[in-house]
Amino acid sequence: DVKVTQSSRYLVKRTGEKVFLECVQDMDHENMFWYRQDPGLGLRLIYFSYDVKMKEKGDIPEGYSVSREKKERFSLILESASTNQTSMYLCASTSPGDSAEAFFGQGTRLTVV
Amino acid sequence: QKEVEQDPGPLSVPEGAIVSLNCTYSNSAFQYFMWYRQYSRKGPELLMYTYSSGNKEDGRFTAQVDKSSKYISLFIRDSQPSDSATYLCAMSIPPGNQFYFGTGTSLTVIP
Repeated sequence: DVKVTQSSRYLVKRTGEKVFLECVQDMDHENMFWYRQDPGLGLRLIYFSYDVKMKEKGDIPEGYSVSREKKERFSLILESASTNQTSMYLCASTSPGDSAEAFFGQGTRLTVV
Repeated sequence: QKEVEQDPGPLSVPEGAIVSLNCTYSNSAFQYFMWYRQYSRKGPELLMYTYSSGNKEDGRFTAQVDKSSKYISLFIRDSQPSDSATYLCAMSIPPGNQFYFGTGTSLTVIP
């Protein structure tokens, strides 16, 4: 059974903290993505990675960075958390080419207070 | 204009009804068309995907793509309370497989 695992389901952090969200996939997928999901706005792409140590900015990268040191792990970093980063964060992975399916993790609901 | 437009609903139907969920898109380069289902507080899961115009059926679900009109639909027959969820349409352009999502339609099926 394929799996994308996010390290936390719920997180509460204080404004200004550095926050790490971890995502691990066991499918040997090349592509990994971080999205945030907000009511009425849908899924917005923050960053994605096509390979180890590779990263590309998505639509809303400001205030975020990422790290991909190993193929299976893709980390999202909030350098200095702010209240407007309170959201549901979703990690996904795909294999390029014919398979179009993106596999999602369960999501991390982050609240910044 | 957003690349993918989806009616957010919410949609509320009685059990057994036929449900129609729709998305329109503007980019003719999209080649893969997907529907994801997302239960409350969970990640999205793939329901159906297709890459050609026409209909694709899977049990009570039918995905329809009309590339000439840039319009996709998901039909749910004999809807069940367990179908209550948010439904997201998604599209991608190979080979990079970057995805473009609709905002989601919230569906409630009332027993």
